[in-house]
Amino acid sequence: DAMVIQNPRYQVTQFGKPVTLSCSQTLNHNVMYWYQQKSSQAPKLLFHYYDKDFNNEADTPDNFQSRRPNTSFCFLDIRSPGLGDAAMYLCATSRDPWEETQYFGPGTRLLVL
Amino acid sequence: DQQVKQNSPSLSVQEGRISILNCDYTNSMFDYFLWYKKYPAEGPTFLISISSIKDKNEDGRFTVFLNKSAKHLSLHIVPSQPGDSAVYFCAAMEEFGGGSEKLVFGKGMKLTVNP
Repeated sequence: DAMVIQNPRYQVTQFGKPVTLSCSQTLNHNVMYWYQQKSSQAPKLLFHYYDKDFNNEADTPDNFQSRRPNTSFCFLDIRSPGLGDAAMYLCATSRDPWEETQYFGPGTRLLVL
Repeated sequence: DQQVKQNSPSLSVQEGRISILNCDYTNSMFDYFLWYKKYPAEGPTFLISISSIKDKNEDGRFTVFLNKSAKHLSLHIVPSQPGDSAVYFCAAMEEFGGGSEKLVFGKGMKLTVNP
């Protein structure tokens, strides 16, 4: 029944050790988004894929990369996590990029030691 | 720098009373506004929205009001129920080119409805 699935729900990594978060969707939506939400802050868009087209936000650090191997899956790669990257990472989908409604996964909480 | 502001971090109301959640924005180019609701350990879910050409949209117990001149919107929940206890995010749609839109979120407000 789940539509946007994120694994794992909690991820602990070490400072500087690459980590990958995953997101999958059963909605067959064209667009997949990654948001970062730090404590008591608004979710902030990092980037999104429209089909295979990657769109990076201007202020997203180079440390953050993404891959979308197929319609269903999208990955967030953090090459060298710093302590400041500890946050909740939310994946969302929408049918098209002009759709107002986005469907969110439960998020992955990343802890950097 | 924040374009969507939810200045009150929390609100507590009694069951059956009205809950009013406020949101202010700074970008006059925003043309669509949404409210999302988030329970613990779940992702945000869409609740209700309003286009900038309207000043009110109603869906059951939920009504959103938009005052464009004041750049202010509010979500009214009447009557409030304990199950409404959640974090509510205000969000605005911003066009970023080629017809694509992105959501700009506020920080959220935690609503607690006491039985």
